[in-house]
Amino acid sequence: EVQLVESGGGLVKPGGSLRLSCAASGFTFSNAWMNWVRQAPGKGLEWVGRIKSKADGGTTDYAAPVKGRFTISRDDSKNTLYLQMNSLKIEDTAVYYCTTDSPVSTFDSWGQGTLVTVSS
Amino acid sequence: DVQMTQSPSFVSASVGDRVTISCRASQGISTSLAWYQQKPGKAPKLVIYGASRLQRGVPSRFSGSGSGTDFTLTINSLQPEDFATYFCQQAISFPRTFGGGTTVEMK
Repeated sequence: EVQLVESGGGLVKPGGSLRLSCAASGFTFSNAWMNWVRQAPGKGLEWVGRIKSKADGGTTDYAAPVKGRFTISRDDSKNTLYLQMNSLKIEDTAVYYCTTDSPVSTFDSWGQGTLVTVSS
Repeated sequence: DVQMTQSPSFVSASVGDRVTISCRASQGISTSLAWYQQKPGKAPKLVIYGASRLQRGVPSRFSGSGSGTDFTLTINSLQPEDFATYFCQQAISFPRTFGGGTTVEMK
């Protein structure tokens, strides 16, 4: 069974940094393309970014609001996905989910999410 | 960016009803569309992909249709566990974008 467990959320001041982790199990993580998707409180879903498998180049794509501030990386030896978030803004406040990326570019499996609150 | 517009935002329905939710893309996306179900405090769950393909384990009362710019999610014989918010998502281009959501609430 696919399991994704996010951690690392918390309260951070505007301009601060935070690193989220997503521990994966139940599938071959090294072959998987992975995403981060976020949801502001009471709002809809917003795609944050995606990382391909290393075999497919390991490249990343980001949404415009986070490009240049957020970095997605992976450690296949630890079956873990990361989201490094720098220069955080109040509008980055959200629950952050990691998801698998299906061959048809949908989000097959989701973690339970981790809450990031950016506030002074 | 491809904008996704869902309607209505809210649907009041009763157990046993048929519910239809619409999603419109700002440009043609072929059948690269997915539907997700989200219950309060929980992560979304994939229901439909490829516009009409049922995700494994999802009851057959759920169905999807459409191509190009107009899509529909239909829930036949609504069950108590179906009261939730539903989101559509286009999967053809970056950035991946979602509709604003439709909440199916109990009448």
